[in-house]
Order: sequence, then C-alpha cells, then structure tokens
Amino acid sequence: GESVGLHLPTLSVQEGDNSIINCAYSNSASDYFIWYKQESGKGPQFIIDIRSNMDKRQGQRVTVLLNKTVKHLSLQIAATQPGDSAVYFCAENYGGSNYKLTFGKGTLLTVNP
Amino acid sequence: DAGVIQSPRHEVTEMGQEVTLRCKPISGHNSLFWYRQTMMRGLELLIYFNNNVPIDDSGMPEDRFSAKMPNASFSTLKIQPSEPRDSAVYFCASRGTSSGNTIYFGEGSWLTVV
Repeated sequence: GESVGLHLPTLSVQEGDNSIINCAYSNSASDYFIWYKQESGKGPQFIIDIRSNMDKRQGQRVTVLLNKTVKHLSLQIAATQPGDSAVYFCAENYGGSNYKLTFGKGTLLTVNP
Repeated sequence: DAGVIQSPRHEVTEMGQEVTLRCKPISGHNSLFWYRQTMMRGLELLIYFNNNVPIDDSGMPEDRFSAKMPNASFSTLKIQPSEPRDSAVYFCASRGTSSGNTIYFGEGSWLTVV
C-alpha cells in the first residue's frame, strides 16, 4: 500500500548549521502533513504542520516545504542546536479521513557540538 | 496545561499475564488514539475514539487487545493474555476541535513481556 517514507535514516550536523530532513509520500490524496520530534524516552512532540494548499510554512527556527509535484516534504531547522537531537517523523493524513495519520519510519538527527 | 497522561510509564510482566495501560487525555479533547511503536513497524494506530465511542479499531492486532473509554477523561488499553511480541511502547494521544488535526501524544507506556 501507499506509505510515507524517508530518504535519510540518519543525519549528523554541526551545531549552528542548518539541517534538512526529507520525506517522500506516495498518496496524492493526502491533504495534511505534520512533523513530529521524538526525544529519547519521550512521546512524539508536534513541531509544525502544513496543508496541501500551501507550499511553505514557517515556525520558530523551522520551515516545512511541500512539493506536491514530486510528493516531497522537508523540514528545515535553522541554526541547529544540541537540543534538536532527536528522531523526526513526518506523518500524512489521507484526504477523506480526518484522523488517520500514517507515520514514516523516522530520521535520527544528531547535532555535534 | 497538563498534557496527555499515561500510566504506568514502565511495566515488565510475564507472558500470559494481563496488562492494563491507562490514559487521561487533554481536558476538552474529544478524540483519543492508542498507538504502538516498535523498531520494526514504527508508529501504528491501534484504535481511535471520538466522543468516547470507538470509531476505528482496525489496527487492534488480535482479540487479546481491547480498549475502552468509559468517559471523556479516561481510557484503558488491555492485553490479555500478554505475549513477548507485545513488547513495545504504547502511546495514547488526544486531539480537540481547538487544535485542528494536531494530535498530542503522551510520554508512552514502555511494556516488556518476558
């Protein structure tokens, strides 16, 4: 079946650099996307979301880009800090279902001081 | 504001024993979800309640799993009898009309069945 996938299972960056985490989705009917951050031993924490009628959305130090043409989603973290080290999940919501989120496998981001 | 509260945080039990996981959603939220997370399968939706009513339980793996939501502030996920392959982190999450589609997760219950 269709699912959300990630290009990079691990990403290591230097403190202060910008990070880009990528996600590919295959369901063209998906209309809502969320990025979650999961620190070790904790539950997933909402970071930012975007609807399919948008291409870009910015938060505090984070930006989500949506390219519907190639079904690609990315999370950009500016000036990455050690506290950003975590697993990042993208999730998609199929159009027609307002509750069923499908999560990707996750990308482990490690920030080196 | 208090987030989603789960208990126990950690449980180790022997195969065949009954396990009950508990959840208190965020006050005012009318949707509640139980997820299971494993390294192999990632995050999987087990069951979804809306206004205390189970809407979708297609993710519940077997009849050994059951979930209830007797009121808006409490839900349980029960496994009886438990098996080693049930070892995972079980997350409860909730969502309210004020939060749109955003689902907020608890800290999880880490279950080990030996």
